[in-house]
Amino acid sequence: QQQVKQSPQSLIVQKGGISIINCAYENTAFDYFPWYQQFPGKGPALLIAIRPDVSEKKEGRFTISFNKSAKQFSLHIMDSQPGDSATYFCAARAELTGGGNKLTFGTGTQLKVEL
Amino acid sequence: DTGVSQDPRHKITKRGQNVTFRCDPISEHNRLYWYRQTLGQGPEFLTYFQNEAQLEKSRLLSDRFSAERPKGSFSTLEIQRTEQGDSAMYLCASSFRLANTGELFFGEGSRLTVL
Repeated sequence: QQQVKQSPQSLIVQKGGISIINCAYENTAFDYFPWYQQFPGKGPALLIAIRPDVSEKKEGRFTISFNKSAKQFSLHIMDSQPGDSATYFCAARAELTGGGNKLTFGTGTQLKVEL
Repeated sequence: DTGVSQDPRHKITKRGQNVTFRCDPISEHNRLYWYRQTLGQGPEFLTYFQNEAQLEKSRLLSDRFSAERPKGSFSTLEIQRTEQGDSAMYLCASSFRLANTGELFFGEGSRLTVL
């Protein structure tokens, strides 16, 4: 059962444009919602994250919008650059025994930013 | 480099052989995780250690899989009698118990190909 649904699967954006990726979750026990960026041959790296008591978080060109009632959140990349071309994963955290972090990931969005 | 280190980065094996992957987490991180990522999918949780104790295992982790973290530092993931369906990227991640974020720091992964 996929608990975090992500769309679109792929996205092509012109340089300087806005990239928008959407995610929806089902489990209300999730308490932390990170976005990870992954380049080919590399492991995922945290980009930005939000907690459910906040509706928006901005870090530089990256913004997360969070709608708790709709159980949806999205990543906006402003002024998209070719260096942003990567696969983006949304995720949701549930607490493990002893306080560890179990992340459930979406299926990923392959972003390509064209010149 | 003080990131999460994984070895080997690539492993090609024949069906039925055993393989072992090693993960060295960030030195002060006492929590260690194994995830599996197949092509076009997000990482999926396999198992989690706090220090040397394996506290949670996913149902994805069949009896052919075993993970250890004998001294609470590095960890190994062994797959016995490999099957073609085991072909995937095996990602290790670590986190620090006292950190108030849910961030996981991922290694670059060990890619397994079973022929």
